[in-house]
Amino acid sequence: DAEITQSPRHKITETGRQVTLACHQTWNHNNMFWYRQDLGHGLRLIHYSYGVHDTNKGEVSDGYSVSRSNTEDLPLTLESAASSQTSVYFCASSDQTGLETQYFGPGTRLLVL
Amino acid sequence: GIQVEQSPPDLILQEGANSTLRCNFSDSVNNLQWFHQNPWGQLINLFYIPSGTKQNGRLSATTVATERYSLLYISSSQTTDSGVYFCAVVGGGSNYKLTFGKGTLLTVNP
Repeated sequence: DAEITQSPRHKITETGRQVTLACHQTWNHNNMFWYRQDLGHGLRLIHYSYGVHDTNKGEVSDGYSVSRSNTEDLPLTLESAASSQTSVYFCASSDQTGLETQYFGPGTRLLVL
Repeated sequence: GIQVEQSPPDLILQEGANSTLRCNFSDSVNNLQWFHQNPWGQLINLFYIPSGTKQNGRLSATTVATERYSLLYISSSQTTDSGVYFCAVVGGGSNYKLTFGKGTLLTVNP
């Protein structure tokens, strides 16, 4: 069955370190998204991609970057982790039209000390 | 951008009760989804429903796109229904990005 996976599921890091969160989908979807979830804010979009080599900023993109070298993967990098980036991160994907269901991964809990 | 408001923010039920959750949105939408986030944090797709009515077991949803709202009905609630229910939309003319409401926290007591 097609799925979307994230790794690691839990991560503790220190302020200033670079961290990369992995997202892998086997739906063969063109569209991929990264969200963060914080109490009081719901889910907010960080970055998104409509296909290989395409990346776009979402509403909370500062301090994050993504690259899309193939269809299946959209890694999220925190260039220099800050305590404000402690959050739960969700990856999602949807098909080319974007008009069908968006599927979410299981999430990564990140703690920045 | 499009605004999504969910009500009520919190709801406490006894097992077996029925409930209705509401989602209002500020503009036309191409996509509307309902999710359940369980106590372990998983986001589970419930419905893709930009318009019309769908049913899946004890859950059903109705979206009236012309009036910019959607309703999620939960009948004969069970303790496993507890969690946060999110409505999320893709605005018309958009870019496939989901905008989420802040959710309804449902607690079902035995």
